[in-house]
Amino acid sequence: DQQVKQNSPSLSVQEGRISILNCDYTNSMFDYFLWYKKYPAEGPTFLISISSIKDKNEDGRFTVFLNKSAKHLSLHIVPSQPGDSAVYFCAASANFGNEKLTFGTGTRLTIIP
Amino acid sequence: SAVISQKPSRDICQRGTSLTIQCQVDSQVTMMFWYRQQPGQSLTLIATANQGSEATYESGFVIDKFPISRPNLTFSTLTVSNMSPEDSSIYLCSAGGPKESGYTFGSGTRLTVV
Repeated sequence: DQQVKQNSPSLSVQEGRISILNCDYTNSMFDYFLWYKKYPAEGPTFLISISSIKDKNEDGRFTVFLNKSAKHLSLHIVPSQPGDSAVYFCAASANFGNEKLTFGTGTRLTIIP
Repeated sequence: SAVISQKPSRDICQRGTSLTIQCQVDSQVTMMFWYRQQPGQSLTLIATANQGSEATYESGFVIDKFPISRPNLTFSTLTVSNMSPEDSSIYLCSAGGPKESGYTFGSGTRLTVV
């Protein structure tokens, strides 16, 4: 039972354009969501998070949007840069992040110069 | 946020043997977590390790196969016991608080069982 889903295994975006990565969840107990970036041979690196009391959180080029009614979140990267090429995982937690993380399957983002 | 040193970074092991993976955190943390990432798949939580108590294992993972130690607030080990080729995965430890800085991960151990 995959409670967190990233339906696009891969995405290619032109440098300078916007990258939009999507994530859906099924567990209504999830109230805290995180995005991680992972390069080969490295552990995931935390990017940005959002609590269910918000619908948007922004940090520099990264913005996360949360649509609770649709159980959907998205990560926007603008402008996209070659260094953004990596695998992106969304993760969800209950109890405002104090419970274990459940990860999606990841989306491989490739930025085309 | 915490910095985690994980080792070994990779190993090739014979089936039937065991491998112990170590994670050292540069600050005291209450909870540490161990994950497995099988090829092409997501990160799956194996267990949560709290200092001074037995680890809590997720469904499908048992202590006999994946014994965990947590002797203090900065260190933990995961042992993969009696290995088979199906245990070939990346194993990751994680620690810290989820809030604004998220959980920090080690760099992972790529295990190949032959």
